[in-house]
Amino acid sequence: QKEVEQDPGPLSVPEGAIVSLNCTYSNSAFQYFMWYRQYSRKGPELLMYTYSSGNKEDGRFTAQVDKSSKYISLFIRDSQPSDSATYLCAMSLTGGGNKLTFGTGTQLKVEL
Amino acid sequence: DSGVTQTPKHLITATGQRVTLRCSPRSGDLSVYWYQQSLDQGLQFLIQYYNGEERAKGNILERFSAQQFPDLHSELNLSSLELGDSALYFCASSVRGQGNYGYTFGSGTRLTVV
Repeated sequence: QKEVEQDPGPLSVPEGAIVSLNCTYSNSAFQYFMWYRQYSRKGPELLMYTYSSGNKEDGRFTAQVDKSSKYISLFIRDSQPSDSATYLCAMSLTGGGNKLTFGTGTQLKVEL
Repeated sequence: DSGVTQTPKHLITATGQRVTLRCSPRSGDLSVYWYQQSLDQGLQFLIQYYNGEERAKGNILERFSAQQFPDLHSELNLSSLELGDSALYFCASSVRGQGNYGYTFGSGTRLTVV
């Protein structure tokens, strides 16, 4: 079983829809949670990071962490075709964990 | 442009050969991380350097090695290449030695072993 599980999709939604992307994890020591966006043939780009549980909002993006359920989510409001990409969740340990553990990514397509 | 520069962008080589991938971190970043991305495994952490010193090691094969030079650029050396080493290799950098707040990735080197 992988430490971080993510539904690979693909997920196809119409423009303007609210998108929900999720990851579950097994290691309760993870404290820092991130979402990356990766366009085809490009490197991952950091979208958001959160520490411990709670919500964080940045424009059309909202990240949620539920540590009790070991579940994190990324919501995208008013989705645009330019949001079409692969979304990767990532997490690291407390105390200065050096590496990020990534999910395998969810492929999202926003259609006109 | 993320500020992390990786060369070359593409590399095609034969089995048994050796290649070197190069990474220049973002200006001011002291830490460099190497990741391998394959279709079935996703992004896998290989190794981290901080200010010239190895800081953490992940699932890096013995055939692979890396180093960070005094000017902070890093090289990943892959030897005795096998077909299964075909993947995207990413370098990332951060200011400190911690990945807690995420780090910045380069555009990657696509390695194809034939």
